Amino acid sequence: QQPVQSPQAVILREGEDAVINCSSSKALYSVHWYRQKHGEAPVFLMILLKGGEQKGHDKISASFNEKKQQSSLYLTASQLSYSGTYFCGTDSFHNAGGTSYGKLTFGQGTILTVHP
Amino acid sequence: DGGITQSPKYLFRKEGQNVTLSCEQNLNHDAMYWYRQDPGQGLRLIYYSQIVNDFQKGDIAEGYSVSREKKESFPLTVTSAQKNPTAFYLCASSVKGEGSRISSYNIQYFGAGTRLSVL
Repeated sequence: QQPVQSPQAVILREGEDAVINCSSSKALYSVHWYRQKHGEAPVFLMILLKGGEQKGHDKISASFNEKKQQSSLYLTASQLSYSGTYFCGTDSFHNAGGTSYGKLTFGQGTILTVHP
Repeated sequence: DGGITQSPKYLFRKEGQNVTLSCEQNLNHDAMYWYRQDPGQGLRLIYYSQIVNDFQKGDIAEGYSVSREKKESFPLTVTSAQKNPTAFYLCASSVKGEGSRISSYNIQYFGAGTRLSVL
């Protein structure tokens, strides 16, 4: 089942902050965040793994609440280049042994627009 | 330069025709994926392959077929059975998603996409 992202769209002025949320009905192994500019390929931003590890770009932060099966992406001091559609992708547990499916299910996306 | 190459960039399909979208990667990744993206929508998984000569159906496999004869190549055929093929198709690859090494775990790198339209 597809994770649900909120809000669907955000409009900011340069320098403002934003939070994008991703919620799943399944127990999650990992959450990935990508940004896609119009007509282009999605670009990797951040990965958060169960157990607390995470890796991503320096200017972007995120959180992963395993119990609530939710993740949030924090964009601070936004720049014009942050504009685009943000997707979360989730990988859930495959079996009781704790391995993952090794594939991502993506949310519907959040459109972020940053104005000067 | 290492990366993923999709071709063609634009493709037109006539009714009843099968068309094949190419995806090649030189990242030495084990896993490859095909997604479909409709306007204003997220990415939906069509097929994925974690090893050569093996692949699994994704959420919307009907009307599509794939092959994985070589590690670097994962072509997608849109068959005549796919009645609504107009979409943006994205190919991705990743290191095989196993273990707990976050430095490599299943981070997907995407090609530039193929935009398919029906004539």
